Amino acid sequence: NAGVTQTPKFRILKIGQSMTLQCTQDMNHNYMYWYRQDPGMGLKLIYYSVGAGITDKGEVPNGYNVSRSTTEDFPLRLELAAPSQTSVYFCASRPGQSYGYTFGSGTRLTVV
Amino acid sequence: AQKVTQAQTEISVVEKEDVTLDCVYETRDTTYYLFWYKQPPSGELVFLIRRNSFDEQNEISGRYSWNFQKSTSSFNFTITASQVVDSAVYFCALWANRDDKIIFGKGTRLHILP
Repeated sequence: NAGVTQTPKFRILKIGQSMTLQCTQDMNHNYMYWYRQDPGMGLKLIYYSVGAGITDKGEVPNGYNVSRSTTEDFPLRLELAAPSQTSVYFCASRPGQSYGYTFGSGTRLTVV
Repeated sequence: AQKVTQAQTEISVVEKEDVTLDCVYETRDTTYYLFWYKQPPSGELVFLIRRNSFDEQNEISGRYSWNFQKSTSSFNFTITASQVVDSAVYFCALWANRDDKIIFGKGTRLHILP
């Protein structure tokens, strides 16, 4: 059971470039989430999805986009990368509302 | 509104000491769940425990124990006979009825000194 898989694990972007962070889960979870964690800080919710075709903004959505065309995949798109987006990005999923998250191993992104 | 407060930003103890991490939560809902996660220096987020609002029994798992008190809206985490491997950031979190997401505290960084 792979759980939540994030790719890539590391990436360096130049200012203004775009990229997609991939997240896939094989647990048939309806709920999926994207968080960012700045150095020494807590988790901030970027976007989330309660099922295929449904997405919603979290507390820090600016500069990001998401889509949820399948239950398994929840990619996060960065358009016009900025140094402020340097962070570790975590994808998470859970089967229902009262359950805890299963997190992916994270993507460490540096924008230079 | 839901809120989780971890007032201890950073704690340092010497190995083998006991240490308690505090977590205070706020919610108006009667049905809610509380969680603890561990983030070791390697960076992954590891689920430790889930507790629902109707079960106030304390839980023990090896050297780890959790004290849930609804009267004080607290869900504290104690590590007994701490070890260097316990060094990590620990997050307390809350899910309350009808919310689509879990609310995290800001975390407590725990240093276990050899």
